[in-house]
Amino acid sequence: GNSVTQMEGPVTLSEEAFLTINCTYTATGYPSLFWYVQYPGEGLQLLLKATKADDKGSNKGFEATYRKETTSFHLEKGSVQVSDSAVYFCAPTRISGYALNFGKGTSLLVTP
Amino acid sequence: NAGVTQTPKFQVLKTGQSMTLQCAQDMNHEYMSWYRQDPGMGLRLIHYSVGAGITDQGEVPNGYNVSRSTTEDFPLRLLSAAPSQTSVYFCASSYHRQGLLWVAFFGQGTRLTVV
Repeated sequence: GNSVTQMEGPVTLSEEAFLTINCTYTATGYPSLFWYVQYPGEGLQLLLKATKADDKGSNKGFEATYRKETTSFHLEKGSVQVSDSAVYFCAPTRISGYALNFGKGTSLLVTP
Repeated sequence: NAGVTQTPKFQVLKTGQSMTLQCAQDMNHEYMSWYRQDPGMGLRLIHYSVGAGITDQGEVPNGYNVSRSTTEDFPLRLLSAAPSQTSVYFCASSYHRQGLLWVAFFGQGTRLTVV
């Protein structure tokens, strides 16, 4: 099966700082990889995705590259904003899987 | 676009009471699932369904029942609520096409407190 390890939060950054949230996974076969974001009081929503090795997913200034050799999918953003404050979940899944396996989430707080 | 609709948004139950959390999606997705979110635990899968009439257990199924009589609806039943079931519950629906992506759409959540 799949399992995922995310860096522990909370992460507190000043506006315009560089963000990295680490995610590593173990999986049978080659999973698809997703980052979901949960803004306060809301459900999760897809942030970005990658389906094969060396793919780079990107959205809203966030990026993550599917690294097969290190089984990692670290989330990065060059300059965070206060509006990026949220909880971020890494989720690897097999193409033949039926539901997502989520990491425990990393809480990000961006201060002005 | 309604997407995934969960009701109610908030609920307080007494220990031993029963209730059903409703989940409906209007995207004709085959897959639906229920998660609970607890501090420090992330999201844990309770039950899931790969189509009408087909359900299976996830990581933490005890104390919960589900059924899937239609593609649109996937209710979660608590037969005898316990304080340990105090949590935020999320329903999700997903699509899966050969060679394409697996993306989940989530409801807004139901915050349940069992006293």
